[in-house]
Amino acid sequence: DTEVTQTPKHLVMGMTNKKSLKCEQHMGHRAMYWYKQKAKKPPELMFVYSYEKLSINESVPSRFSPECPNSSLLNLHLHALQPEDSALYLCASSQGFISAGLNTEAFFGQGTRLTVV
Amino acid sequence: SQQGEEDPQALSIQEGENATMNCSYKTSINNLQWYRQNSGRGLVHLILIRSNEREKHSGRLRVTLDTSKKSSSLLITASRAADTASYFCASIQGAQKLVFGQGTRLTINP
Repeated sequence: DTEVTQTPKHLVMGMTNKKSLKCEQHMGHRAMYWYKQKAKKPPELMFVYSYEKLSINESVPSRFSPECPNSSLLNLHLHALQPEDSALYLCASSQGFISAGLNTEAFFGQGTRLTVV
Repeated sequence: SQQGEEDPQALSIQEGENATMNCSYKTSINNLQWYRQNSGRGLVHLILIRSNEREKHSGRLRVTLDTSKKSSSLLITASRAADTASYFCASIQGAQKLVFGQGTRLTINP
């Protein structure tokens, strides 16, 4: 199984709503990532989890709250978002990190298309 | 911050022609990776070239790496309509950050 599964595929939420994006992989990968991608732009790194611990937060606003309940799951909790947060949110995983001598090829989910109204 | 600059930003060619995309990066790397993204979907890993390699092939893909110039190129030979996509180079910044270049939007015309 080389899949990263993201749900939901599409999400429309109001600025006062609370919602969560979910990501699942069963490849035994120990590195997991959240990216945000605007139209015609490259993916921008938001968070990196290493062995279920948050290792990098790219100065992301606190209205985005990541969570890694176990080694297969990654969530992104959303609260009080702004219309400019509308984007494609991508989850990815890889075996690990170069520093550990592991393969850094990333596997991506299909993304959640988020619209904030 | 994004690692690389890619050129061209957009490329349109006829089916059967070769497509070449370039990527420049700023920091030292252990490896450089290329990904493809079909419109509005997830990215797919294409090929990885290590810093001690100069050229690598995979099917119709050929990647070169010049660490002295901090640049890489991706060549797709005998292009097909299905190759229409955005192509991104990516590298690891620090120990853990997989960072993408600006990307090239490739259109193959039948």
